[in-house]
Amino acid sequence: QKEVEQNSGPLSVPEGAIASLNCTYSDRGSQSFFWYRQYSGKSPELIMFIYSNGDKEDGRFTAQLNKASQYVSLLIRDSQPSDSATYLCAVNEYDRDDKIIFGKGTRLHILP
Amino acid sequence: DAGVIQSPRHEVTEMGQEVTLRCKPISGHDYLFWYRQTMMRGLELLIYFNNNVPIDDSGMPEDRFSAKMPNASFSTLKIQPSEPRDSAVYFCASSLIEGYIVKLFFGSGTQLSVL
Repeated sequence: QKEVEQNSGPLSVPEGAIASLNCTYSDRGSQSFFWYRQYSGKSPELIMFIYSNGDKEDGRFTAQLNKASQYVSLLIRDSQPSDSATYLCAVNEYDRDDKIIFGKGTRLHILP
Repeated sequence: DAGVIQSPRHEVTEMGQEVTLRCKPISGHDYLFWYRQTMMRGLELLIYFNNNVPIDDSGMPEDRFSAKMPNASFSTLKIQPSEPRDSAVYFCASSLIEGYIVKLFFGSGTQLSVL
């Protein structure tokens, strides 16, 4: 059974600090990794994807991938109250680039 | 583009009734996915299509669930008969593959309540 594990939270972070969200996955053959943000009552939206080991930066967001440890993380710098949301980690199944499975998400709360 | 369009936004029905959820993907996208979200189980993949053909329906809970995609611009997810445990938010998403990256674009979801 392919699994994507996330701490459900809530993770509370002061405004302006760095929020660190973590995700582990069970399928060693997974190749692509995604972070989706979901505001309460809304649908998920893609904010980052990564497929190579190391870091990928986009504005205040940095995705980090370590395939050997089967670990993906998302860092949010200079956290804002508008970053308060649930963050969903998603990965593809090995040999199925098009089959995307999700973790249950981590609730992030930025404290003003 | 209007994005992925789902209807209805909310559906309240009684146990045993048939429920049909509808989805219009983004024009030009060749993948369509149906997911279900609950607090307990998170976002679960039910079934997905490529070029209107079902690729993987292993996530469909049981025979009460069926999905169709008769053309590139329309898909339905049907539950017959519905049960209270089917209560959830059902999301449709569409995508293109760019290289081997699948970027999902989600509709607004259908909140289903089965009484």
